[in-house]
Amino acid sequence: DQQVKQNSPSLSVQEGRISILNCDYTNSMFDYFLWYKKYPAEGPTFLISISSIKDKNEDGRFTVFLNKSAKHLSLHIVPSQPGDSAVYFCAASVQGGSEKLVFGKGTKLTVNP
Amino acid sequence: DAGITQSPRHKVTETGTPVTLRCHQTENHRYMYWYRQDPGHGLRLIHYSYGVKDTDKGEVSDGYSVSRSKTEDFLLTLESATSSQTSVYFCASSTSGRASHAGRGFREQFFGPGTRLTVL
Repeated sequence: DQQVKQNSPSLSVQEGRISILNCDYTNSMFDYFLWYKKYPAEGPTFLISISSIKDKNEDGRFTVFLNKSAKHLSLHIVPSQPGDSAVYFCAASVQGGSEKLVFGKGTKLTVNP
Repeated sequence: DAGITQSPRHKVTETGTPVTLRCHQTENHRYMYWYRQDPGHGLRLIHYSYGVKDTDKGEVSDGYSVSRSKTEDFLLTLESATSSQTSVYFCASSTSGRASHAGRGFREQFFGPGTRLTVL
């Protein structure tokens, strides 16, 4: 049973436009959510996170929105740049769960010049 | 960023042989993790450690064992490698839950560069 779902395997956008990556979860005990970015042949790197007590967190061009009632979060990248082309993983964790993360399958973002 | 390295970076082996992958971190992080990444599956947790000699199973632990004799080292062993274990393996580490790291989220995991393992 997949607890964290990224239903879009890929997304293509034009440079300068907004990229919106979506993530749904099923476990209501998740209280912290993270986005990771991964380039080919490299390990994932942390991008941005949000606690369940918030509904929005911004960091420069990146904003994560959390809708707890819908069990949905999204990552907005504005404006998108070609260097943002990567695989993006959504992850979630439960407080007191040995800091384990449950990852989605990832969405491959391609930003076209 | 946390100093976390993996060795080897690439390995080709034959079915039935034992394989050990090493993860080394220099951040004195309490928690360490082993994941595998496969097409269509994302990152799946194999085993994790919450302290020296303290380990537990993850989502896909069958066929794998781990050991952690020092804070900085976490070993993943495939006792008898199978072709289904061909994958990219990532190690990660994180600090204790309530501590922040460089002002970021306190459950951030730092990942190594990965080991590409091919079992023929």
